[in-house]
Amino acid sequence: AQTVTQSQPEMSVQEAETVTLSCTYDTSESDYYLFWYKQPPSRQMILVIRQEAYKQQNATENRFSVNFQKAAKSFSLKISDSQLGDAAMYFCAYRSTIKIQGAQKLVFGQGTRLTINP
Amino acid sequence: DAGVIQSPRHEVTEMGQEVTLRCKPISGHNSLFWYRQTMMRGLELLIYFNNNVPIDDSGMPEDRFSAKMPNASFSTLKIQPSEPRDSAVYFCASSSTRGGQPQHFGDGTRLSIL
Repeated sequence: AQTVTQSQPEMSVQEAETVTLSCTYDTSESDYYLFWYKQPPSRQMILVIRQEAYKQQNATENRFSVNFQKAAKSFSLKISDSQLGDAAMYFCAYRSTIKIQGAQKLVFGQGTRLTINP
Repeated sequence: DAGVIQSPRHEVTEMGQEVTLRCKPISGHNSLFWYRQTMMRGLELLIYFNNNVPIDDSGMPEDRFSAKMPNASFSTLKIQPSEPRDSAVYFCASSSTRGGQPQHFGDGTRLSIL
């Protein structure tokens, strides 16, 4: 079974600085998808970014980018020019391409709580 | 797009009462997931459906929990009887099974059992 590990329970960064959140995963599959979700205090789960394992190019979404190292099974999230609104719990998630009776579930990490210092 | 709609947003009830949480997935999504989130245990997958059929309910903690999906646009998670340790935020999410589409989450139901 796949596992996802976020080794940093908490991180903090000064506003306008850059921060990197770590995520590693374990799988024997060669094709899969990886996601970062953000959960602010409002408790909504918001998709931040998605990466397909077969793509070598790292995904980017405005100030958010990933460093995807397939051989190392690492999928870190970089937030540039941190803003107060970035304060949230961040979850890394893995999704297999193999469907079980047509469905694919997500495997989540434990989350990293990010604090932005003004 | 309306997004995943959950109701109620908050529920406070006394132990022993029946609790029903409701979810309307995004139209066209054929997979639906129920999660529970607590400080102690984090985000747990309780059960998921594909095309209205339950696929895996191994995450349902006890027989007091049940879930149904009578049609493509509605699902319920029921707890009967409820206990204080069931207090948590319950999320519903839906997704398409087309290549690597993400799950879209509802706003969650905060459940407090007194």
